[in-house]
Amino acid sequence: EPEVTQTPSHQVTQMGQEVILRCVPISNHLYFYWYRQILGQKVEFLVSFYNNEISEKSEIFDDQFSVERPDGSNFTLKIRSTKLEDSAMYFCASSETSGTGEQFFGPGTRLTVL
Amino acid sequence: AQSVTQLGSHVSVSEGALVLLRCNYSSSVPPYLFWYVQYPNQGLQLLLKYTSAATLVKGINGFEAEFKKSETSFHLTKPSAHMSDAAEYFCAVSPRSGSRLTFGEGTQLTVNP
Repeated sequence: EPEVTQTPSHQVTQMGQEVILRCVPISNHLYFYWYRQILGQKVEFLVSFYNNEISEKSEIFDDQFSVERPDGSNFTLKIRSTKLEDSAMYFCASSETSGTGEQFFGPGTRLTVL
Repeated sequence: AQSVTQLGSHVSVSEGALVLLRCNYSSSVPPYLFWYVQYPNQGLQLLLKYTSAATLVKGINGFEAEFKKSETSFHLTKPSAHMSDAAEYFCAVSPRSGSRLTFGEGTQLTVNP
């Protein structure tokens, strides 16, 4: 069964450093998303991406964040200068263009900012 | 704007007992509704979804949910809890396909032997 994959599973970085989180969505999906979950809190939407551009973003997704689809398979989230409060689990998801809106989630990347 | 309220951050049941996890939503348009389950240190797995077809939706692992428009509710039930059901459950709403999911706070389900 096709699935969303994410790398790395755990990333530790120093405050102020840049990080890139990587995702490989399901191959025939055309909508891609990033969510985050701070420990003990609910899952929060960051951004959605369709047709090579951002389709929606939340207030969390400020200028420190960017997304890119560098090739036909990868989808990345970059945080330019990490802060302590960026420590969270980051989930990538993908969905088909139409249909039920079901989003398939990857296993997540745990980001720890020291 | 969409929002989800899950009543009860922690629910504890005995093995074999009924599971009822509550979800109420707010949406300005007919919503798509979802229940996801998260096992410890894992990602989110879809349990079931409502997309304006049948109001009683059956999902995986014996779970089902009923969409009640008049009550703006989408409660999750399972007739008989199993130890393996212990996890965190999230209700989510979306206004349309391809749009953001708005999640509730989550309900941690504990199943006691």
